[in-house]
Amino acid sequence: KNQVEQSPQSLIILEGKNCTLQCNYTVSPFSNLRWYKQDTGRGPVSLTIMTFSENTKSNGRYTATLDADTKQSSLHITASQLSDSASYICVVSAGLGDYKLSFGAGTTVTVRA
Amino acid sequence: NAGVTQTPKFRVLKTGQSMTLLCAQDMNHEYMYWYRQDPGMGLRLIHYSVGEGTTAKGEVPDGYNVSRLKKQNFLLGLESAAPSQTSVYFCASSVRPNTEAFFGQGTRLTVV
Repeated sequence: KNQVEQSPQSLIILEGKNCTLQCNYTVSPFSNLRWYKQDTGRGPVSLTIMTFSENTKSNGRYTATLDADTKQSSLHITASQLSDSASYICVVSAGLGDYKLSFGAGTTVTVRA
Repeated sequence: NAGVTQTPKFRVLKTGQSMTLLCAQDMNHEYMYWYRQDPGMGLRLIHYSVGEGTTAKGEVPDGYNVSRLKKQNFLLGLESAAPSQTSVYFCASSVRPNTEAFFGQGTRLTVV
């Protein structure tokens, strides 16, 4: 069964600090991995999409990494801001023509002043 | 440019009642999806559509029906609501299945 596991489940950081979120997956075959940000009461919004050949992709203060050999990904948030408080969801796509995305349960990040 | 719009945002139903959730997208996307999000779990695919007039079952289709009569609209129906269908429902659309999916703001449904 294709699975996506995220850790930690939640974390609290001080404004201005950095943090790293982890995503491990067993989805096979692999097409791409996405990180989404979901604010409370809103729908997920895409941050990055990485294919098999991409190791790193950045979007402003967000940097995602991918190790397709070990099936691990991370999302690094630099110089956190209060607006970064949200749930971050790791999503893996299995392959061409596969409409089912495998979603992680998300990591809830709380940034405190 | 509104993107993906869901109607309604909130709804409370009694067990056995029926309702329809509407999803509209203005990006001319072929692919549309309905997901449900439950606490502690990842989003799960209910039904999806690869184009106007076509629909298919996803991971958790039981108790739901869908229709895609127009390319821009994707409707999710609950014929006889059950408490197990209490959830937050998200509609999404994409150009192709492996490209970025754009999500609506969600519909919070409570079945009592």
